[in-house]
Amino acid sequence: SQQGEEDPQALSIQEGENATMNCSYKTSINNLQWYRQNSGRGLVHLILIRSNEREKHSGRLRVTLDTSKKSSSLLITASRAADTASYFCATGYNAGKSTFGDGTTLTVKP
Amino acid sequence: DGGITQSPKYLFRKEGQNVTLSCEQNLNHDAMYWYRQDPGQGLRLIYYSQIVNDFQKGDIAEGYSVSREKKESFPLTVTSAQKNPTAFYLCASSKGQGINSPLHFGNGTRLTVT
Repeated sequence: SQQGEEDPQALSIQEGENATMNCSYKTSINNLQWYRQNSGRGLVHLILIRSNEREKHSGRLRVTLDTSKKSSSLLITASRAADTASYFCATGYNAGKSTFGDGTTLTVKP
Repeated sequence: DGGITQSPKYLFRKEGQNVTLSCEQNLNHDAMYWYRQDPGQGLRLIYYSQIVNDFQKGDIAEGYSVSREKKESFPLTVTSAQKNPTAFYLCASSKGQGINSPLHFGNGTRLTVT
């Protein structure tokens, strides 16, 4: 069963704008990860945030985690056309396996 | 360069035939995984292996089989028992047992069964 659910399903913005996508999950987790997938390719890991962390940054990416609401958000600042991709959250827990949501498709128009 | 290699990139088979997808990694990772992705959807876990000679069923293991005879290799066989085998298959690996370790993915094999 899908653990994480991303919202919105699709997002279209202009270059330079910020993009925010959200992920909700159902059960307790060890960590939550965000991945990017370009069309027809494998997924690329962006950020891993552990359950005892609230916020993490990597370059233009900012991830927050609210375990009380069982939700996370990914913010991409000053977006570029090259950020066009699908973004997935994955929740990891004790079994050592990650469960993925259906993703948010981001389109950044030049 | 370290990474995960999946081959072939595209695979075509007739219904009723078994087919094996290759996955090789040179990252020295202990854990390896197979996911299936259908159009517009997320990834669903087929099988995973945290150590050589051991593997576990994921959420959609029916109609699939795997082996893990070497640390570097985790081939997936799609059998004729899999009712809807046409999909994009992704192999991944992670350090240690996989807990709190990011996944490294190959570029996938697109399987079409007619």
